Amino acid sequence: DAGITQSPRHKVTETGTPVTLRCHQTENHRYMYWYRQDPGHGLRLIHYSYGVKDTDKGEVSDGYSVSRSKTEDFLLTLESATSSQTSVYFCAISDRDRGINEQFFGPGTRLTVL
Amino acid sequence: ELKVEQNPLFLSMQEGKNYTIYCNYSTTSDRLYWYRQDPGKSLESLFVLLSNGAVKQEGRLMASLDTKARLSTLHITAAVHDLSATYFCAVDSGGGADGLTFGKGTHLIIQP
Repeated sequence: DAGITQSPRHKVTETGTPVTLRCHQTENHRYMYWYRQDPGHGLRLIHYSYGVKDTDKGEVSDGYSVSRSKTEDFLLTLESATSSQTSVYFCAISDRDRGINEQFFGPGTRLTVL
Repeated sequence: ELKVEQNPLFLSMQEGKNYTIYCNYSTTSDRLYWYRQDPGKSLESLFVLLSNGAVKQEGRLMASLDTKARLSTLHITAAVHDLSATYFCAVDSGGGADGLTFGKGTHLIIQP
């Protein structure tokens, strides 16, 4: 299995509070991604990174920010959580430099915003 | 904007039967991926299809890609209960460093 961990695995928080989710990889891949999964929507891309300090927005980036200060860590922050951000969040990595964007997923974080 | 449509979204079938899941996408791409997700779990990569006419097989599952029709299929042969899961196709737009665009998934239940 690809070495990807996410923390926390479960979190319950209140509306308006800041939340940071962490993705950690041991594969030394340059590309990392954050997705959210909601019933009826499949997975949707929030933000992605193509190197240290290199990030960009995905399809559903509003209300989220990211940071990548080290190759192995990619952080997703909800500055002020809302109930619409209740979801399961998946981090993924890709060795895209090989020319293939096969992505490997972490175990997920289930976030509930009350 | 790349759109990926899967059908059916829900499929209940009996063991021993054959069936096909379809994945259509809206823009030119020759890179398509299939994933499996068990309830409450993460996504597992099943197949990587990288060119027109590509066919990959693993056990009772076979995936194919027709880039001209913008269509991929996932065929299940003689289904068994262990194949019950949600299956996603995902398309790589190929343009930059961004992520995959996923279909909404096909929830497959195989009954004895």
